[in-house]
Amino acid sequence: SYELTQPPSVSVSPGQTATITCSGDPLTNPYNYWYQQRSGQAPVLVIYKNTERHPRISERFSGSRSGTTLTLTISDVRAEDEADYYCQSGDISDTYRIFGGGTKLTVL
Amino acid sequence: EVHLAESGGGLVQPGGSLRLSCATAGFRFGDYLMTWVRQAPGKGLQWVANIKKDGSNRYYSDSVKGRFTISRDNAKSSLFLQLSDLRAEDTGVYYCARNWETGVDVWGNGTTVIVSS
Repeated sequence: SYELTQPPSVSVSPGQTATITCSGDPLTNPYNYWYQQRSGQAPVLVIYKNTERHPRISERFSGSRSGTTLTLTISDVRAEDEADYYCQSGDISDTYRIFGGGTKLTVL
Repeated sequence: EVHLAESGGGLVQPGGSLRLSCATAGFRFGDYLMTWVRQAPGKGLQWVANIKKDGSNRYYSDSVKGRFTISRDNAKSSLFLQLSDLRAEDTGVYYCARNWETGVDVWGNGTTVIVSS
């Protein structure tokens, strides 16, 4: 199907590792992305090209891809990581972009 | 510093029109494909439209095709979105975004559109 599926929510305690998945056929596109959106703010780029971390983002964030599943891993989770996280894909001809439904990360 | 600033949002009646603008600074605007993304209240991000660097090609999501028009003025480093035949489901925050590869590396702060009678 032409959609990206994410779990609606993930909860972790401080210091633990959070794993957020994104699955769907569009992820066969060469490059896929993760964004963080804190409450009331615009999104920010976290991971680009499946695994590359944006320079302004903490090293605790990492990305991977296996087949049609994209994974965002946040190690040593902190209260400041609490946010909505979105995966995104798009074709290299730029005819479309597609976002996952978003995952709300709660830090307990 | 790279900066995107949307404007033009507001309250409009169903069936009405609105023109959103995005003023940019800090980069060579004409070198980038640009995008509009929206977010309904309490909902996720939804891609709206793309426009190529020189404006030669434009692409739209099915939900807005035929009603919205994306355009740009490279001389003024500005991006636009003309919204027509607006519906309640078009309500939300509209973000201007700079593309990098097939993703977005810079977002504006958004402008709010409310479609209601």
